[in-house]
Amino acid sequence: GQNIDQPTEMTATEGAIVQINCTYQTSGFNGLFWYQQHAGEAPTFLSYNVLDGLEEKGRFSSFLSRSKGYSYLLLKELQMKDSASYLCAVGGTDKLIFGTGTRLQVFP
Amino acid sequence: EAGVVQSPRYKIIEKKQPVAFWCNPISGHNTLYWYRQNLGQGPELLIRYENEEAVDDSQLPKDRFSAERLKGVDSTLKIQPAELGDSAVYLCASSLDPPSLAASTDTQYFGPGTRLTVL
Repeated sequence: GQNIDQPTEMTATEGAIVQINCTYQTSGFNGLFWYQQHAGEAPTFLSYNVLDGLEEKGRFSSFLSRSKGYSYLLLKELQMKDSASYLCAVGGTDKLIFGTGTRLQVFP
Repeated sequence: EAGVVQSPRYKIIEKKQPVAFWCNPISGHNTLYWYRQNLGQGPELLIRYENEEAVDDSQLPKDRFSAERLKGVDSTLKIQPAELGDSAVYLCASSLDPPSLAASTDTQYFGPGTRLTVL
Protein backbone atom coordinates (compact mmCIF):
# COMPACT_ATOMS: atom_id res chain seq x y z
CA GLY A 1 0.00 0.00 0.00
CA GLN A 2 0.92 3.65 -0.12
CA ASN A 3 1.16 5.65 3.05
CA ILE A 4 2.52 9.05 4.03
CA ASP A 5 2.64 10.09 7.68
CA GLN A 6 3.23 13.52 9.12
CA PRO A 7 2.15 15.13 12.39
CA THR A 8 -1.27 16.76 12.32
CA GLU A 9 -0.35 19.92 14.20
CA MET A 10 2.69 21.73 15.54
CA THR A 11 3.22 25.00 17.34
CA ALA A 12 6.31 27.16 17.60
CA THR A 13 7.43 30.64 18.61
CA GLU A 14 8.41 33.45 16.29
CA GLY A 15 12.18 33.40 15.66
CA ALA A 16 12.53 29.73 16.59
CA ILE A 17 13.37 26.68 14.46
CA VAL A 18 10.87 23.91 13.72
CA GLN A 19 11.30 20.53 12.03
CA ILE A 20 8.34 18.82 10.36
CA ASN A 21 8.87 15.12 9.78
CA CYS A 22 7.42 12.94 7.05
CA THR A 23 7.68 9.16 6.65
CA TYR A 24 6.48 7.36 3.58
CA GLN A 25 5.87 3.97 2.02
CA THR A 26 5.06 4.14 -1.67
CA SER A 27 5.28 1.96 -4.75
CA GLY A 28 8.04 3.62 -6.70
CA PHE A 29 9.87 6.81 -5.83
CA ASN A 30 10.40 9.75 -8.14
CA GLY A 31 11.19 12.42 -5.61
CA LEU A 32 9.72 14.06 -2.52
CA PHE A 33 8.08 17.46 -2.53
CA TRP A 34 7.14 19.88 0.21
CA TYR A 35 4.33 22.37 -0.32
CA GLN A 36 3.07 25.22 1.85
CA GLN A 37 -0.64 25.90 1.96
CA HIS A 38 -2.18 28.90 3.70
CA ALA A 39 -5.81 28.56 4.76
CA GLY A 40 -8.11 28.95 1.77
CA GLU A 41 -5.26 29.10 -0.72
CA ALA A 42 -3.60 26.71 -3.14
CA PRO A 43 -0.48 24.69 -2.25
CA THR A 44 2.75 26.51 -3.10
CA PHE A 45 5.88 24.56 -4.03
CA LEU A 46 8.69 24.82 -1.46
CA SER A 47 11.27 22.12 -2.17
CA TYR A 48 12.15 18.96 -4.07
CA ASN A 49 14.49 16.12 -3.04
CA VAL A 50 15.30 13.12 -5.20
CA LEU A 51 18.74 12.26 -3.81
CA ASP A 52 19.67 11.69 -0.16
CA GLY A 53 20.83 14.72 1.74
CA LEU A 54 19.93 18.26 2.59
CA GLU A 55 18.64 20.92 0.19
CA GLU A 56 18.76 24.47 1.52
CA LYS A 57 16.70 27.38 0.26
CA GLY A 58 16.95 30.46 2.41
CA ARG A 59 15.14 29.89 5.71
CA PHE A 60 13.77 26.54 4.52
CA SER A 61 15.72 23.28 4.21
CA SER A 62 14.53 19.81 3.28
CA PHE A 63 16.24 16.51 4.02
CA LEU A 64 15.72 13.10 2.47
CA SER A 65 16.79 9.57 3.39
CA ARG A 66 15.46 7.14 0.79
CA SER A 67 16.63 4.04 2.68
CA LYS A 68 14.62 5.11 5.72
CA GLY A 69 11.62 6.45 3.80
CA TYR A 70 12.03 9.69 5.72
CA SER A 71 12.13 13.39 5.06
CA TYR A 72 11.94 16.55 7.10
CA LEU A 73 11.32 20.21 6.40
CA LEU A 74 13.29 22.60 8.58
CA LEU A 75 12.07 26.16 9.01
CA LYS A 76 14.45 28.65 10.60
CA GLU A 77 13.87 32.13 12.01
CA LEU A 78 10.15 31.53 12.07
CA GLN A 79 7.87 34.38 11.12
CA MET A 80 4.16 34.81 11.77
CA LYS A 81 3.48 34.42 8.05
CA ASP A 82 4.88 30.86 8.25
CA SER A 83 1.66 29.79 9.98
CA ALA A 84 0.22 27.42 7.37
CA SER A 85 -0.18 23.74 6.52
CA TYR A 86 2.88 21.96 5.17
CA LEU A 87 2.19 19.09 2.81
CA CYS A 88 4.65 16.27 2.19
CA ALA A 89 4.11 14.64 -1.23
CA VAL A 90 5.89 11.68 -2.75
CA GLY A 91 6.22 11.07 -6.46
CA GLY A 92 5.16 7.46 -6.93
CA THR A 93 5.40 5.47 -10.14
CA ASP A 94 3.14 7.81 -12.05
CA LYS A 95 1.46 10.12 -9.61
CA LEU A 96 2.05 12.41 -6.66
CA ILE A 97 0.73 11.13 -3.32
CA PHE A 98 0.06 13.75 -0.67
CA GLY A 99 0.10 13.42 3.08
CA THR A 100 -2.68 15.02 5.08
CA GLY A 101 -0.48 17.98 5.97
CA THR A 102 0.94 19.45 9.18
CA ARG A 103 -0.72 22.59 10.43
CA LEU A 104 1.91 24.87 11.92
CA GLN A 105 0.93 27.73 14.19
CA VAL A 106 3.56 30.36 14.97
CA PHE A 107 2.99 32.44 18.10
CA PRO A 108 4.61 35.79 18.95
CA GLU B 1 4.88 34.58 -15.90
CA ALA B 2 1.22 33.85 -15.24
CA GLY B 3 0.42 30.93 -12.98
CA VAL B 4 -2.36 28.38 -13.23
CA VAL B 5 -5.70 30.12 -13.62
CA GLN B 6 -8.96 28.65 -12.39
CA SER B 7 -12.54 29.83 -12.40
CA PRO B 8 -14.85 30.25 -10.68
CA ARG B 9 -13.20 30.67 -7.28
CA TYR B 10 -16.37 29.80 -5.42
CA LYS B 11 -19.52 27.95 -6.41
CA ILE B 12 -22.63 27.15 -4.38
CA ILE B 13 -25.21 24.85 -5.92
CA GLU B 14 -28.05 22.61 -4.83
CA LYS B 15 -27.66 18.86 -5.02
CA LYS B 16 -28.54 17.23 -8.34
CA GLN B 17 -27.48 20.39 -10.21
CA PRO B 18 -24.60 20.32 -12.71
CA VAL B 19 -21.40 22.33 -12.20
CA ALA B 20 -18.29 22.96 -14.27
CA PHE B 21 -14.81 24.19 -13.40
CA TRP B 22 -12.30 25.67 -15.81
CA CYS B 23 -8.50 25.63 -15.74
CA ASN B 24 -5.80 27.30 -17.82
CA PRO B 25 -2.35 25.83 -17.07
CA ILE B 26 1.02 27.55 -17.13
CA SER B 27 2.07 28.20 -20.72
CA GLY B 28 4.16 25.35 -22.08
CA HIS B 29 3.12 22.85 -19.41
CA ASN B 30 2.00 19.68 -21.16
CA THR B 31 0.80 17.84 -18.06
CA LEU B 32 -2.40 18.95 -16.33
CA TYR B 33 -3.96 17.55 -13.17
CA TRP B 34 -7.28 17.86 -11.41
CA TYR B 35 -7.31 17.22 -7.66
CA ARG B 36 -9.99 17.25 -5.01
CA GLN B 37 -9.10 18.43 -1.52
CA ASN B 38 -11.38 17.86 1.45
CA LEU B 39 -11.01 19.91 4.59
CA GLY B 40 -7.98 18.85 6.64
CA GLN B 41 -6.75 16.47 3.96
CA GLY B 42 -4.13 16.54 1.26
CA PRO B 43 -5.13 16.84 -2.40
CA GLU B 44 -6.25 13.61 -4.10
CA LEU B 45 -5.71 13.13 -7.81
CA LEU B 46 -8.83 12.81 -9.94
CA ILE B 47 -7.34 12.84 -13.44
CA ARG B 48 -4.08 13.59 -15.23
CA TYR B 49 -3.66 14.72 -18.83
CA GLU B 50 -0.61 14.48 -21.05
CA ASN B 51 -1.44 17.06 -23.71
CA GLU B 52 -5.03 16.19 -24.67
CA GLU B 53 -4.88 12.56 -23.56
CA ALA B 54 -6.22 11.44 -20.18
CA VAL B 55 -3.51 9.04 -18.98
CA ASP B 56 -4.73 8.44 -15.42
CA ASP B 57 -8.41 8.76 -14.55
CA SER B 58 -8.59 5.80 -12.20
CA GLN B 59 -9.77 7.99 -9.29
CA LEU B 60 -12.40 9.88 -11.27
CA PRO B 61 -15.99 8.85 -10.34
CA LYS B 62 -17.04 8.32 -13.92
CA ASP B 63 -20.74 7.99 -13.25
CA ARG B 64 -21.00 11.70 -12.48
CA PHE B 65 -17.63 13.30 -13.23
CA SER B 66 -16.23 14.07 -16.65
CA ALA B 67 -13.28 16.07 -17.88
CA GLU B 68 -11.85 17.23 -21.16
CA ARG B 69 -8.77 19.01 -22.40
CA LEU B 70 -9.46 19.98 -25.96
CA LYS B 71 -6.39 21.11 -27.91
CA GLY B 72 -4.17 20.15 -24.99
CA VAL B 73 -4.31 23.51 -23.20
CA ASP B 74 -7.39 24.53 -21.18
CA SER B 75 -9.36 21.92 -19.30
CA THR B 76 -12.87 21.61 -17.91
CA LEU B 77 -14.05 19.36 -15.08
CA LYS B 78 -17.77 18.71 -14.81
CA ILE B 79 -19.98 17.12 -12.18
CA GLN B 80 -23.49 16.08 -13.13
CA PRO B 81 -25.46 15.64 -10.95
CA ALA B 82 -23.68 17.00 -7.88
CA GLU B 83 -24.10 15.28 -4.50
CA LEU B 84 -23.62 16.63 -0.99
CA GLY B 85 -20.36 14.71 -0.64
CA ASP B 86 -18.87 16.55 -3.59
CA SER B 87 -18.37 19.67 -1.47
CA ALA B 88 -14.62 20.26 -1.54
CA VAL B 89 -11.94 22.41 -3.13
CA TYR B 90 -11.13 21.40 -6.71
CA LEU B 91 -7.54 22.19 -7.58
CA CYS B 92 -5.94 22.28 -10.99
CA ALA B 93 -2.19 21.90 -11.35
CA SER B 94 0.26 21.73 -14.22
CA SER B 95 3.84 20.60 -14.74
CA LEU B 96 6.36 20.79 -17.53
CA ASP B 97 7.00 17.06 -17.51
CA PRO B 98 4.96 14.04 -16.37
CA PRO B 99 5.51 12.72 -12.82
CA SER B 100 7.67 9.78 -13.82
CA LEU B 101 10.93 11.42 -14.78
CA ALA B 102 12.31 11.96 -11.25
CA ALA B 103 13.33 15.46 -12.17
CA SER B 104 12.51 18.89 -10.88
CA THR B 105 10.64 19.52 -14.12
CA ASP B 106 7.81 17.37 -12.82
CA THR B 107 7.17 19.89 -10.07
CA GLN B 108 3.47 20.63 -10.02
CA TYR B 109 2.19 24.19 -9.71
CA PHE B 110 -1.30 24.71 -8.40
CA GLY B 111 -4.05 27.14 -9.25
CA PRO B 112 -6.10 28.91 -6.55
CA GLY B 113 -8.82 26.25 -6.67
CA THR B 114 -12.60 26.32 -6.83
CA ARG B 115 -14.40 25.91 -3.52
CA LEU B 116 -17.61 23.98 -4.22
CA THR B 117 -20.44 23.89 -1.73
CA VAL B 118 -23.35 21.56 -2.48
CA LEU B 119 -26.51 22.27 -0.45
